Amino acid sequence: GAGVSQSPRYKVAKRGQDVALRCDPISGHVSLFWYQQALGQGPEFLTYFQNEAQLDKSGLPSDRFFAERPEGSVSTLKIQRTQQEDSAVYLCASSPPEWRGKGFFGPGTRLTVL
Amino acid sequence: DAKTTQPTSMDCAEGRAANLPCNHSTISGNEYVYWYRQIHSQGPQYIIHGLKNNETNEMASLIITEDRKSSTLILPHATLRDTAVYYCIVREGLGSGTYKYIFGTGTRLKVLA
Repeated sequence: GAGVSQSPRYKVAKRGQDVALRCDPISGHVSLFWYQQALGQGPEFLTYFQNEAQLDKSGLPSDRFFAERPEGSVSTLKIQRTQQEDSAVYLCASSPPEWRGKGFFGPGTRLTVL
Repeated sequence: DAKTTQPTSMDCAEGRAANLPCNHSTISGNEYVYWYRQIHSQGPQYIIHGLKNNETNEMASLIITEDRKSSTLILPHATLRDTAVYYCIVREGLGSGTYKYIFGTGTRLKVLA
């Protein structure tokens, strides 16, 4: 496909369960971002990768959140021991090397923790 | 962080111009203003960006004041499909040649038939 894809689109987890959310960026895009969007709020920055290097993880809310991009393409956001407050839409965005503001966002994964 | 403030919501009649204001009084000289929109259940979509000159593309026009403390996004002929949340963003440098976006709560634009 031509765009950023994310899977699953919807995930329901029981409190305490671990989840893994996947992002497939646009091929050739160096930069990859994860955002968390709570209901009715704007997206909140979580973390950023340049190729396989995680250059900024200042937005990760706790050590239960972990992101990786081992080969510089696909990225996974993992949440351990999920809590109800983790319920949100998780957005992934990628951008090409000639970053000029055109970040391309995926459709997001809606996580609901019961 | 350079912050932006936008009205919470606006209505616009279909076919009329929608003018969405944004204040960014703490913007620094080399920071760009970006606009994205988010239609229900979709990821944010890039619209336009600018530094100090007015910009126009196939989607919209961006008017930036001379002091760069505010800007206006103009959708010249709003359609029902333009109903969305519009985010005005000033990007924050990460010091590695790239940037992250700090989103606010945006303006919820409703285009009325």
